[in-house]
Parts: sequence; C-alpha cells; structure tokens
Amino acid sequence: KQEVTQIPAALSVPEGENLVLNCSFTDSAIYNLQWFRQDPGKGLTSLLLIQSSQREQTSGRLNASLDKSSGRSTLYIAASQPGDSATYLCAVKRGETSGSRLTFGEGTQLTVNP
Amino acid sequence: KAGVTQTPRYLIKTRGQQVTLSCSPISGHRSVSWYQQTPGQGLQFLFEYFSETQRNKGNFPGRFSGRQFSNSRSEMNVSTLELGDSALYLCASSSWTGVQETQYFGPGTRLLVL
Repeated sequence: KQEVTQIPAALSVPEGENLVLNCSFTDSAIYNLQWFRQDPGKGLTSLLLIQSSQREQTSGRLNASLDKSSGRSTLYIAASQPGDSATYLCAVKRGETSGSRLTFGEGTQLTVNP
Repeated sequence: KAGVTQTPRYLIKTRGQQVTLSCSPISGHRSVSWYQQTPGQGLQFLFEYFSETQRNKGNFPGRFSGRQFSNSRSEMNVSTLELGDSALYLCASSSWTGVQETQYFGPGTRLLVL
C-alpha cells in the first residue's frame, strides 16, 4: 500500500527566504507526482506535475524534483512571499492503468511572514 | 474554460439523513474523482468515474455511492449520515492528453453533520 509522507508538517519563514518542502513515498512504482497548493477552506490548485521519467519541473519561482528510486520529491520555493502562505500537498499516481486515483501526503502548512 | 464546479458549497445535515453532492467537470473531461478531506485523515480517495462507469473505489463503506451522467457530471450520495462524515468533499476532473494527465480540483462542498 502506497504511503506518502511530508516533512515538515508546518513551516514559518520570513519573507524573501528560499525554502524546501519534502515528500517521500514508499512504493517507487509511480506514474507521476503532483504538487498542489490549498488555501484555507478552498480546493486544490495544481502547481507542478512530474512524470516518472522526469527529474524536475519548473514554474516561475517553483522547482520540483523527483528521485523515484529513493522515493523522494522536493518542492523548492525561491524568494518566498506572504502570498505563498498555504498548505502544500504532494500526491502520487500509481500507474497508467490505475485510473486517476491519487494518494496524498498530509501536507506542509507554510507561513511566510512579512 | 470554466473550472470544476461543485454544488452546494456548504451543507448542514443531521445524523441519519442522506445527502447528494454534485460536481460538474471541466468541459471535455471524462474522468471525475471524489475525495474526502478531514483534519485527522487528510485527503482520502472515495471513487472515480470514467464514461459513466466506476473505474476505482477507495475504502469507504457502502453508504458512500456515486454516479456519472452522460454529460460527465457526477453526483455522490451519502446515506445514513454519521458525525464522522463531516468533511470537505472535493471532486477533481482530468483529461488524458496522450502525454500526461493533470487533475483539476473544484472548490469543494463542506458538509457538517450535527
């Protein structure tokens, strides 16, 4: 059974700092890994998707890496801003034939202080 | 393109009642997945529908059911509500491009069971 863990559970940083969020998964047989952002009481917004054959993806100040063999992914946020404050979730999809089912981590709650 | 919409956004029910939640996917998306989010359990997969057929099912009791219509709109039903069913219910739609699949989430329906 796939288990996804995110460390740390919560993180508070001053504005402008670069930071790294971690995600680990127990079964390396994944099809892709997706990072989401969730604002309080809201739905999820997809940030980055990494296919199992890829090593990293970048979008603006965000960079996500994937090391499938070790079961790890990191989300790097450069020059953090107060607007980045949210919960960040990683999710893995098991296989191409497993439908759209995602297994989520518990999330990292990020607070960026002005 | 309009995003994923969910109705109603908020709902208050009492124990023993039943409830029906609705999800309209992004136009052209044929897959709809449902998730339950609670503070204790995080995001848990309920089920997925593709072309009106249930393709995947999570570990939830039979009180939780769903269906999908020919226009890809989906409903989920919870019968005999329990206090523990209080949660944010999220639906996601996705479309396979032949290269990758990204899931898009709706804003959720917050259900409170008293």
